[in-house]
Amino acid sequence: DGGITQSPKYLFRKEGQNVTLSCEQNLNHDAMYWYRQDPGQGLRLIYYSQIVNDFQKGDIAEGYSVSREKKESFPLTVTSAQKNPTAFYLCASSSQGEEKLFFGSGTQLSVL
Amino acid sequence: EDQVTQSPEALRLQEGESSSLNCSYTVSGLRGLFWYRQDPGKGPEFLFTLYSAGEEKEKERLKATLTKKESFLHITAPKPEDSATYLCAVRVYSSASKIIFGSGTRLSIRP
Repeated sequence: DGGITQSPKYLFRKEGQNVTLSCEQNLNHDAMYWYRQDPGQGLRLIYYSQIVNDFQKGDIAEGYSVSREKKESFPLTVTSAQKNPTAFYLCASSSQGEEKLFFGSGTQLSVL
Repeated sequence: EDQVTQSPEALRLQEGESSSLNCSYTVSGLRGLFWYRQDPGKGPEFLFTLYSAGEEKEKERLKATLTKKESFLHITAPKPEDSATYLCAVRVYSSASKIIFGSGTRLSIRP
């Protein structure tokens, strides 16, 4: 079945540590997105990519980095510069000409 | 600034008690409005896309409508399995790559 796979489901970060969240899709979608969701708040855009080897900052990119070396993959690194990383992280994708987003099941990141 | 506001924040209904969720938006140019359903600890699941005022979409007990300033998600005779957070989002012409989300309405249906 086609879809978006996020891993791990739960992740714990120690102070000063960088962690990477995985996002893989087999939908052949061009665009991929990373959102952050805090309790009681809407989704906020971290980074997005419309094509391989190209990506743009969203509204809250500070403390995060991404890469898009393959169409299927869009990993997100939460760096030590992100002082409040505890949140639910969602990866999404969409195809050209189709407006809606398809979401993965999310990664819950917590700080030890 | 483009903005999406959902109300109420939370809504508790009795099974079979119909109601509506509101999504008001202030955007420079609406390209599309989306409704998603999100269960706890999971990613949002797509429900509807609306493009122009007067448009309506239906799926089982849900019906979405759109005006020039807001959208409503009507829930008719809800069941406990309809309990979830419902998210509204918009795409705008000024930045078609971005989708702006509201903070959601937490719907709880009591049996």
